[in-house]
Order: sequence, then C-alpha cells, then structure tokens
Amino acid sequence: AQTVTQSQPEMSVQEAETVTLSCTYDTSENNYYLFWYKQPPSRQMILVIRQEAYKQQNATENRFSVNFQKAAKSFSLKISDSQLGDTAMYFCAFMKQSNDMRFGAGTRLTVKP
Amino acid sequence: ETGVTQTPRHLVMGMTNKKSLKCEQHLGHNAMYWYKQSAKKPLELMFVYSLEERVENNSVPSRFSPECPNSSHLFLHLHTLQPEDSALYLCASSQDEERGGYTFGSGTRLTVV
Repeated sequence: AQTVTQSQPEMSVQEAETVTLSCTYDTSENNYYLFWYKQPPSRQMILVIRQEAYKQQNATENRFSVNFQKAAKSFSLKISDSQLGDTAMYFCAFMKQSNDMRFGAGTRLTVKP
Repeated sequence: ETGVTQTPRHLVMGMTNKKSLKCEQHLGHNAMYWYKQSAKKPLELMFVYSLEERVENNSVPSRFSPECPNSSHLFLHLHTLQPEDSALYLCASSQDEERGGYTFGSGTRLTVV
C-alpha cells in the first residue's frame, strides 16, 4: 500500500518570506501522480500543484513550486513570497490509479504579518 | 451553480438517529468519492463510485451506507453512529480517465452526541 508522510505538523513563516513543506511517500510503482492541496478555514480542499512522476521537470504554479526527487521519493512544496492568504492546512497526496488518491496527515502553515 | 456542493454544512445527531449527507457536482465528472477527515490523521478514503458503480469500500462500518443514484449525486446515509464517527466528511469528484486531481466540496462537519 502507498503511504504518504508529512513530517511537519506545524510551520510558520513571515510574510514575504519563503517556506518549504516536506513530503515523502512509499511506493513500488514507477508511474504515478503527486499533488499538493491547500485547505483554508473554509474547509474546501483546493489543488495547488500537480506533478507527474514520469516528468523530470519540477512543476511550478506562480509562487508555488515543487522539488520532486523520484529516487528519494520526496515531493516538497516551496511557497515563495508568502502571503497571509497562504495560511492553511497543506496536504500532500499520491495517486497511482485514477480513483485511489492517498493523503498525508497535513502541515498547518501560518503566515505571520 | 458550479463545483462540488455538500449539504448540510454542519450536522449534530444522536447515536440513534438516521441522517443523510448529500453531495452534488456540476462538473460533468464520472467518479465521486467520500473521505473522512479526523483531526491529526490523514484523510481516509471511504467509498469510490465510478460510472455510478461502487468500486471501493475500505472496510467502512455498515452504519455508513453510500448511494449514487446518478453521476451528479452522491449520498452518505448514516444510522446508529458512534461518537468516534464525529469528523469532517468530504466529497470529491473527478474525471476517471484523467489524472488532474480531484475537486472537493467544503465538507459536512458531523458531531455525534
């Protein structure tokens, strides 16, 4: 079974600074997909960024980028120029098949003014 | 209305009650999911429906009963729940053959008293 581990239950960062959230996963598969979701106080999970395992290039979405290390099974999220609206729970997720997405326990990020 | 809508937003029920959670998606997706989110734990996948057929049931107790009458609607029927069933129940949808990630609703906060 695939497992996803987020080793940082809570993190904080000053506004405008950069923060990196860690995620590791365990799988024997070669083809899979990785995601970062954001869950603000509104509770709706919002897709932040997605990475396909067969692509070596790290995904980037505006201020959000990932460091995907396939051999190390690591998928960290970097948030640049942090904003107050980035305060949320962040979940790393792994998907092998289209209807089997598995999540980590989450990291609570607080952006301080 | 677009996206994934869940009702009710909050629900308090006694252990002998019967209630239902509703999820509706207007995205034309063909797969829908129920997840349970408890504090400090990874999201737990409960049920998966693809093309209105249940494809996964992760050993969920029979006091939870899903129903998918069509590709746009998903229900979770609840009866004789336990206090440990108190959690946030999230619904999601996706297009089965794509790997773009899931779209989530805002969840139902369930409290069993």
